[in-house]
Amino acid sequence: SQKIEQNSEALNIQEGKTATLTCNYTNYSPAYLQWYRQDPGRGPVFLLLIRENEKEKRKERLKVTFDTTLKQSLFHITASQPADSATYLCALDPWGGSQGNLIFGKGTKLSVKP
Amino acid sequence: EAGVAQSPRYKIIEKRQSVAFWCNPISGHATLYWYQQILGQGPKLLIQFQNNGVVDDSQLPKDRFSAERLKGVDSTLKIQPAKLEDSAVYLCASSLTGLGGYTFGSGTRLTVV
Repeated sequence: SQKIEQNSEALNIQEGKTATLTCNYTNYSPAYLQWYRQDPGRGPVFLLLIRENEKEKRKERLKVTFDTTLKQSLFHITASQPADSATYLCALDPWGGSQGNLIFGKGTKLSVKP
Repeated sequence: EAGVAQSPRYKIIEKRQSVAFWCNPISGHATLYWYQQILGQGPKLLIQFQNNGVVDDSQLPKDRFSAERLKGVDSTLKIQPAKLEDSAVYLCASSLTGLGGYTFGSGTRLTVV
């Protein structure tokens, strides 16, 4: 069956450390994968998109990797801050880029302690 | 740039009643999505529009849910009759091309009692 899994429901880290979140998928061949941030009571906010032919993408303190062999994406936040505390969702396109809709994981709730 | 507008923000109804949600996407965004997010879950796609045509409604429970996007701009999502399991946040999102990041609204939190 097709699945998209974010392996931790919650992740607690100390301020200043690097947070690493994992997204694994099975039986999909996505053309791209996206990461979103969601705060309580708000809609998800788009952070980064990485395509199947890209190994790594960076934006300020954020870094995403995409390994289509392992069927895995890693999302890193370096020098984490309490303001980074939120739920992070990974999403992929199930149609290989042909249709433009996304399947979302359940999310990982990140808590950064001062 | 104005964001995606949704209303109402909250709605409480009894089971078997009907309810409608409204969405105004970002100006110029051709693709519009409705997602359902149950507490503790990721968003689940209900329907995708490209302009005013339906691209994907395979997960929309068509016996009770309906959606339309007249003139390719605003959209409404209706539930009739509602069930207890429809309690969720209903998120609208729009995208310029459908192949990039989405912009989500803040959602409508529906409670069915």
